[in-house]
Amino acid sequence: QLHLQESGPGLVQPSDTVSLTCTVSGVSISGGIYYWSWIRHRPGKGLEWIGWIYYTGNTYYNPSFKSRLVMSVDASKKQFSLRVHALTAADTAIYYCARVMPGPGYPEFVDNWGQGRLVTVSS
Amino acid sequence: EIVLTQSPGTLSLSPGNGATLSCRASQSIVRNRIAWYQQKPGQSPRLLIYGASSRATDIPDRFSGGGSGTDFTLTISRLEPEDLAVYYCHQYASSPFTFGPGTKVDIQ
Repeated sequence: QLHLQESGPGLVQPSDTVSLTCTVSGVSISGGIYYWSWIRHRPGKGLEWIGWIYYTGNTYYNPSFKSRLVMSVDASKKQFSLRVHALTAADTAIYYCARVMPGPGYPEFVDNWGQGRLVTVSS
Repeated sequence: EIVLTQSPGTLSLSPGNGATLSCRASQSIVRNRIAWYQQKPGQSPRLLIYGASSRATDIPDRFSGGGSGTDFTLTISRLEPEDLAVYYCHQYASSPFTFGPGTKVDIQ
């Protein structure tokens, strides 16, 4: 059974970088089937797609983040990660990792979500 | 970026009633690439519908999706108390993928 679990700090300082990791169990990341994604939910705001990564290392980042993102994958550890730089209070959110179903050459919809990790940006 | 608008913002209904939730896109959604998610209090979102009308695994047939172009609906027939949740539509037709603001369903 598929399970995704986020981990990382809950409190970070403004202007710092946060690193979040998603550990996947129940399916192989390197199977070449699924895409893997990060989505966040800011307080009082809607869900926001951050980006996705494929097991090859190919990535797509939401342009709204203005080059503040880095995603990586370590298939041997069954993990993929997100780093967000230059944090502000506006980055306070629940960060979800998720599995994305594949289309013919591109990602489609999320079919499974992690439980989410609250990241608070505050001094 | 495709903007999704959902209506109503909140729906308050009694068990046994039916509910129709609307999702409107700022531009036409190619190949009906719309999904619907249910998020119960304290839980992660759960996939209900993809491809505008295909039910995800283990989703009861009380949930159905429809629509095309820019207008899509999620219909919940015979509401149950466990359906209390926020429902989000999501487009995966054009990057960056986007979500609607959600419709909260209250069960009276």
